[in-house]
Amino acid sequence: DAGVTQSPTHLIKTRGQQVTLRCSPKSGHDTVSWYQQALGQGPQFIFQYYEEEERQRGNFPDRFSGHQFPNYSSELNVNALLLGDSALYLCASSQRTGTGGSGYTFGSGTRLTVV
Amino acid sequence: GENVEQHPSTLSVQEGDSAVIKCTYSDSASNYFPWYKQELGKRPQLIIDIRSNVGEKKDQRIAVTLNKTAKHFSLHITETQPEDSAVYFCATIKNYGQNFVFGPGTRLSALP
Repeated sequence: DAGVTQSPTHLIKTRGQQVTLRCSPKSGHDTVSWYQQALGQGPQFIFQYYEEEERQRGNFPDRFSGHQFPNYSSELNVNALLLGDSALYLCASSQRTGTGGSGYTFGSGTRLTVV
Repeated sequence: GENVEQHPSTLSVQEGDSAVIKCTYSDSASNYFPWYKQELGKRPQLIIDIRSNVGEKKDQRIAVTLNKTAKHFSLHITETQPEDSAVYFCATIKNYGQNFVFGPGTRLSALP
């Protein structure tokens, strides 16, 4: 059974460009959450998608947007990239109707470097 | 919103000794408290968790204790081994469907 799959694994972009990161949730999971982990810090919540809608959002600007598809996979889009957007972007999937927190599964992340 | 503090930020212990990492949180509604281990370049891996209706949980060399009144929970690692070296993150969550709030992490070095 595949876990959470993220692509690409590494990415280098130039300031001002746009980037799209992808996530396929674990089988049986219907909720996808995105986190940004800057070097030396804990993951910071960006947003969560369920039933193809953004359900919650952390303290991130509108340059960060997302999408969830009918098969529960998700994309994270970042526009007008800044150097400070360089980070590991983690996707986590879970089952909405499960018991709180314990079904959370993280992907291996996408390492984004903005130059 | 929830604020999670974690101490110490770095911890060095001799192989075989014990290590303790403590987290405090602000939101009394938080009810699930996991601990994650993250090795360099890898994803966070859940190592142990505890719910608000339990005071202590143990899994081999790892244990977690929770004090809901004081709003803190701790990770205890006994007989530390070199492969325990990693960054450890605590986290809290209020209700299912909500997001995790992570602590800033503790870099544990288990010296042979």
